[in-house]
Amino acid sequence: EAQLVESGGGLVQPGRSLRLSCASSGFTFDDFAMHWVRQAPGKGLEWVSGITWNSDSIGYAGSVKGRFTISRDNAKQSLYLQMNSLRAEDTALYYCAKGQSGSGNTHGMDVWGQGTTVTVS
Amino acid sequence: SYEVTQPPSVSVSPGQTASITCSADKLDDKYVSWYQQKPGQSPLLIIYQDHNRPSGIPERFSASNSGNTATLTISGTQAMDEADYYCQAWDSSTDVVFGGGTKLTVL
Repeated sequence: EAQLVESGGGLVQPGRSLRLSCASSGFTFDDFAMHWVRQAPGKGLEWVSGITWNSDSIGYAGSVKGRFTISRDNAKQSLYLQMNSLRAEDTALYYCAKGQSGSGNTHGMDVWGQGTTVTVS
Repeated sequence: SYEVTQPPSVSVSPGQTASITCSADKLDDKYVSWYQQKPGQSPLLIIYQDHNRPSGIPERFSASNSGNTATLTISGTQAMDEADYYCQAWDSSTDVVFGGGTKLTVL
């Protein structure tokens, strides 16, 4: 069974940094694009960033561009999100999600973790 | 930036058909997916590539995408279908964009 487990969330002061990790299992990690999606308390889903299977194409939401960096280590079957210059509005539950394709998002995100909470205060 | 609009809420009686819309400029030029999220749970992919259902998703969930509007249809709505529903659009120019979500109430 495909699984994603996020870690690294916590309480952090504005302006500081945090690194999120997402460990995968049960599928061939390096075949698929991966994404970070966040959900502020009581709010909807917001795509944060995505990375193709081989890291040759990366995208960011405008709200995080220049502050967040997505990366992956296919050998470790893991996805990362380096978050710098954190703001109060970055407070959210951060989900790691697997794309159904290796690049782009033509087929949606079919596996989601339980999320890790980031609180900036 | 590309914006995708959903109605905040939709109500339906049990056994009836619910329709949730998703609107954006030239939406049919993009790939649309739909997700269901129940309280305290992670989102679940229920439709991808405009109208395809992943394995395990009941046939009562269907969808279409034409012009500026994509529509998720739930036929014979059940109490267990009460949830938040999100559409998500993608193409290579706009990347991933979620709609604001629609709360479906079955009453």
